[in-house]
Amino acid sequence: DIQLTQSPSFLSASVGDRVTITCRASQGISSYLAWYQQKPGKAPKLLIYAASTLQSGVPSRFSGSGSGTEFTLTISSLQPEDFATYYCQQLNSYLPLTFGGGTKVEIK
Amino acid sequence: QLQLQESGPGLVKPSETLSLTCTVSGGSISSSSYYWGWIRQPPGKGLEWIGSIYYSGSTYYNPSLKSRVTISVDTSKNQFSLKLSSVTAADTAVYYCARHEGDCSGGSCYWGPLDYWGQGTLVTVSS
Repeated sequence: DIQLTQSPSFLSASVGDRVTITCRASQGISSYLAWYQQKPGKAPKLLIYAASTLQSGVPSRFSGSGSGTEFTLTISSLQPEDFATYYCQQLNSYLPLTFGGGTKVEIK
Repeated sequence: QLQLQESGPGLVKPSETLSLTCTVSGGSISSSSYYWGWIRQPPGKGLEWIGSIYYSGSTYYNPSLKSRVTISVDTSKNQFSLKLSSVTAADTAVYYCARHEGDCSGGSCYWGPLDYWGQGTLVTVSS
């Protein structure tokens, strides 16, 4: 299985801060990576796929980068509605499809 | 607008079989290039992909659960279903159904992200 390690697992930040979350894969996955946002009691919401492509309707303050084994999700200016847990997911052809452990972004 | 809705018992006894159905509305489950998957999330924990199915019936499962999982599709009802046998307390989780692109026609598979999700349903395993 391809393991995804997210860091940090917890992040405390203020509105307006620039936030970066890292996802490292145990082996190269090219750009086959997606990012999701999950709020309490809700299903995850797709933010970014193919490592850097913004899903339709997602604010442009979200961006993704990386390829191979290291990826980042950046929120350029944190908004109140962005406080949530973020997950990366690898979509490499080899199953199983796996998720990172999550990064919880809380208000400072 | 595509919508997915999970349904099924919220309480299952240990050693029994968990059964859930996902009803798709606003689109056809027989759309080419789309797979329909199940994902679960134990309380307070992360996400785990269980498996996915194509409308033709082709299935792909997480090897860690493969011996206990069956996913099936009913195109006439625009539904797909999950059965998980011999459940234990460790199977207590919110179960989500979701859609993703996929193409396994070329020898290896391409998988797209999970772009539409159901709201999730909590299944508790307890006697």
